[in-house]
Amino acid sequence: ELKVEQNPLFLSMQEGKNYTIYCNYSTTSDRLYWYRQDPGKSLESLFVLLSNGAVKQEGRLMASLDTKARLSTLHITAAVHDLSATYFCAVDTGNTGKLIFGQGTTLQVKP
Amino acid sequence: DTAVSQTPKYLVTQMGNDKSIKCEQNLGHDTMYWYKQDSKKFLKIMFSYNNKELIINETVPNRFSPKSPDKAHLNLHINSLELGDSAVYFCASSQDGRVWELFFGEGSRLTVL
Repeated sequence: ELKVEQNPLFLSMQEGKNYTIYCNYSTTSDRLYWYRQDPGKSLESLFVLLSNGAVKQEGRLMASLDTKARLSTLHITAAVHDLSATYFCAVDTGNTGKLIFGQGTTLQVKP
Repeated sequence: DTAVSQTPKYLVTQMGNDKSIKCEQNLGHDTMYWYKQDSKKFLKIMFSYNNKELIINETVPNRFSPKSPDKAHLNLHINSLELGDSAVYFCASSQDGRVWELFFGEGSRLTVL
């Protein structure tokens, strides 16, 4: 069974600092997605990573995918309070249209 | 115009009752999904329909019955509600099962007392 594990599950950081969230998964997949969820809200798609070595950046967030290591990272640069949210990675299981989600990483950025 | 809309947004009910959550998408997609997010924020797929046909049916109790009257709608009916059914249920849609273009609804928070 495909498992997706995020690390850490909770992250409290100061504004201006850098940090990385890790997403490991247990089986071969070339497609990985990052979502953001604000409290009480829906999931917002952040990044779609469709191949080995893919790197995407949007503002202070950068995501990368290493399919050989079965690892994706979400790097936060110079965090700001607005980035406080829960971040999920999800792996595409192939042609079934099913996403397997990680447990989520709750990020709290303090002023 | 909301792309994927769910009703109701909040639902509080007693154990043993039967309830439904409705989902409609106006994106012209042919694939719709139900995901469950529990109190620990863990998200898991429950069902997926493509053109009104059931594609994915995870190990969900048969008290849960999805119904797709047309490809723009996927409703979730739950019989004999239990405390453990309390969760946020998210509807989502995509075209041709392309999960890299998945659109989620706002979620329906179900509380069973």
